[in-house]
Amino acid sequence: QKEVEQNSGPLSVPEGAIASLNCTYSDRGSQSFFWYRQYSGKSPELIMFIYSNGDKEDGRFTAQLNKASQYVSLLIRDSQPSDSATYLCAGRAGGTSYGKLTFGQGTILTVHP
Amino acid sequence: EAGVAQSPRYKIIEKRQSVAFWCNPISGHATLYWYQQILGQGPKLLIQFQNNGVVDDSQLPKDRFSAERLKGVDSTLKIQPAKLEDSAVYLCASSLWAHPSYEQYFGPGTRLTVT
Repeated sequence: QKEVEQNSGPLSVPEGAIASLNCTYSDRGSQSFFWYRQYSGKSPELIMFIYSNGDKEDGRFTAQLNKASQYVSLLIRDSQPSDSATYLCAGRAGGTSYGKLTFGQGTILTVHP
Repeated sequence: EAGVAQSPRYKIIEKRQSVAFWCNPISGHATLYWYQQILGQGPKLLIQFQNNGVVDDSQLPKDRFSAERLKGVDSTLKIQPAKLEDSAVYLCASSLWAHPSYEQYFGPGTRLTVT
């Protein structure tokens, strides 16, 4: 079992719709979770991070964390064609692991006009 | 604030040759990471430095890969000899400290093609 697993893609949504990206993790020692966006040929850029159970909103993005279910999600409201990219979920452990970041395989999102 | 710098941006070598990548992190960042990202996959951590000490190299293929960060600033990653499966983008990242709450900033990456 992979440590961080993302829902299989690719995901295609129409412009203006809600895109839902999901991620599960196996390491209960993971303390915080990060969503990165990666455009083709570019390096990952941070969208949001979350470390408490519940929802965290930032503009059109909402991250959700459920530690009991070991589940993380990212909702993108009012999706735009510019949101088309690969979305990477990553978990980060604390303590003696020095904050090691473990990435999922990524989900390709396409927003079509 | 300048971002993470990497060079070269692209490199094509033949198998069994050697190659080196360079990374300059954001000024003041104590933690430096090297990731390997194979096409279609998420980045995989190869090695993590805290200042000039290695804190995690569990996924570094030590028979062919080596990395150093001698003065706690710049870092180099070397592959010798290269294999076809080493074709990937090598990403360098840095963060202020090795703590879950600190963001990692990524450089533009070096795309390596081994033929």
